[in-house]
Parts: sequence; C-alpha cells; structure tokens
Amino acid sequence: DVKVTQSSRYLVKRTGEKVFLECVQDMDHENMFWYRQDPGLGLRLIYFSYDVKMKEKGDIPEGYSVSREKKERFSLILESASTNQTSMYLCASSLWVGQGDEKLLFGSGTQLSVL
Amino acid sequence: DQQVKQNSPSLSVQEGRISILNCDYTNSMFDYFLWYKKYPAEGPTFLISISSIKDKNEDGRFTVFLNKSAKHLSLHIVPSQPGDSAVYFCAASDPGGGNKLTFGTGTQLKVEL
Repeated sequence: DVKVTQSSRYLVKRTGEKVFLECVQDMDHENMFWYRQDPGLGLRLIYFSYDVKMKEKGDIPEGYSVSREKKERFSLILESASTNQTSMYLCASSLWVGQGDEKLLFGSGTQLSVL
Repeated sequence: DQQVKQNSPSLSVQEGRISILNCDYTNSMFDYFLWYKKYPAEGPTFLISISSIKDKNEDGRFTVFLNKSAKHLSLHIVPSQPGDSAVYFCAASDPGGGNKLTFGTGTQLKVEL
C-alpha cells in the first residue's frame, strides 16, 4: 500500500525552538511538497522539490526551510518557531511535474502548536 | 491574491439530493483543475480532475463542469451520501508555475440523513 508518512501526528513546541517535520514517501516520486492548512485560507504551498537536493519556494516560504538529501525524504524546518506557525502541515508527493494533471498523494498531516 | 476561490465555506444537503460545490479562478493560464476531498485528521485525497480543453468530466456520482469564459468550475455529486461529508478543495495547475497546484479555501459539505 503506497503512502506518504509524516513522522508526527501532533507536536507541541515553544516559541523560538527549532522544529523539524519529517516526511517519507515509498513510491519513488520525484516531486515532494509541503503545504499548511489554516481555517479560511485553504492549503498554501510552503516549499517543494523536484529532485534530490533541489528546492523551490512556494507561496509562503518565510520562516521555513527544507532539506531533501534522499529522494524519499523531505523535511520541513522551522528555524525559530513562532505562534503564527501554529497550523496543520501536510506533506505530499507526485510522480512527475510535467503534465499538469498532478494527483498529489498526501500524508495524514502534522498538527503543530507553538506556545 | 487568491487565484482560486471557493466562496461558500459550508454547504448542507439532504441525502439523495444533488450537492453542487463551486469554484472560481482568476488565472487564465491554469490548464488543469482538480478536486480533493478531506476528512478530519486525514490528508486530502484526489477526487476528480478536468483539463481546460474540456467542459465536463464524469466519474460515477461525481461530475466536474468547467466554464472557461466565466472562469468557473463546479463539482456535482449525485446522489449525495452521508459518507460524502467532508471538506472539498478545488485546485488549479499553472504550467507557467512549474505545474504546482494552487488550492482554494475549501467548502465543508454536510450530507444529512
């Protein structure tokens, strides 16, 4: 059963902490994405990656960074967590970014609370 | 600037009736449109898509209609079932933007018995 796995379902962190959100996919997909979901704002793209060691900024990259050292793993890093980064974080992957009809496969999400 | 908009945050429908979820967009370069469904505590799952060169795509109880001149698409669910209760996200793909998806704000559908 193919899947995208996010390491934590719930996380509680303190303001100023460095936070790592991990995502692993087992489908050999080239493309991986990090979104955050907030009420009334939908899903907003933070960062994405088309290949190992590649990264591209999404629509709201400020305060975040990413790492993709291996094809199957895409990490989201909050350098210094702030309360406005309290959100549901969703990782996704897809096979190829060329054709437009991207059917992203999402993980179950990580609900992060920054206190 | 919200390029994909879902103006109805919620919709309530009786079981067996039709559910119509709407989505508007502003970017005429979008070439694919997709609908995703999300249950609480789960990630979104792909439901149905449509190319910008078509005006209708049907898959079982789900049909998506695209009106390019109005920059509007809609998802029809017939007949609606209680298991359809979820948040529905409209998304669009821009080939000029690396084909990454831009999502709308979502519509919470509740199908009542």
